Amino acid sequence: QKEVEQNSGPLSVPEGAIASLNCTYSDRGSQSFFWYRQYSGKSPELIMFIYSNGDKEDGRFTAQLNKASQYVSLLIRDSQPSDSATYLCAVNEGERNSGGYQKVTFGTGTKLQVIP
Amino acid sequence: NAGVTQTPKFQVLKTGQSMTLQCAQDMNHNSMYWYRQDPGMGLRLIYYSASEGTTDKGEVPNGYNVSRLNKREFSLRLESAAPSQTSVYFCASSELGGDTEAFFGQGTRLTVV
Repeated sequence: QKEVEQNSGPLSVPEGAIASLNCTYSDRGSQSFFWYRQYSGKSPELIMFIYSNGDKEDGRFTAQLNKASQYVSLLIRDSQPSDSATYLCAVNEGERNSGGYQKVTFGTGTKLQVIP
Repeated sequence: NAGVTQTPKFQVLKTGQSMTLQCAQDMNHNSMYWYRQDPGMGLRLIYYSASEGTTDKGEVPNGYNVSRLNKREFSLRLESAAPSQTSVYFCASSELGGDTEAFFGQGTRLTVV
């Protein structure tokens, strides 16, 4: 059973701080990694996607990938109360460029609370 | 564009009743999915349709059936609802390929009593 693991939280950070969300995965062949944000009672929406080792930055969000350690993280700088949500890590177990259907496994999510 | 639309938003069923959850997408995506989300379990794939005319079982298919009616529509049917099927159901769609984003519908909160 291929797994994607996240700490369920809640992770509480003060407004303006850096929130660090972590995810580990079991399938060493996984090539693409996604971070989705899900507000309470709403559907998930994509915020970051990464496939290369290292960091990828988009505004206040930075995704970090370490394939050797099978670890992907999401950093949120200058956290805002509006960032309070559950963050889902998702891992694509297939070949990036093969086309066709690709199986994506979701973690259980980490609940983030940003305290004003 | 509406994106992914699923109906209904809420439903209460009695054990043994049947129902169909409807899903439609207007993004011309090839792939469509049905997930269920339970506390502490994350999103689990029930069935998927990689492309029009094909459907396949996901992680938790027992008790469900699906129909890919056309490229836009993908329905999920519960033939005889059980309390264990109480959950939030999400339909999603994406393009084929490894780097593609999944777009989710607004969810259906189903309670089976």
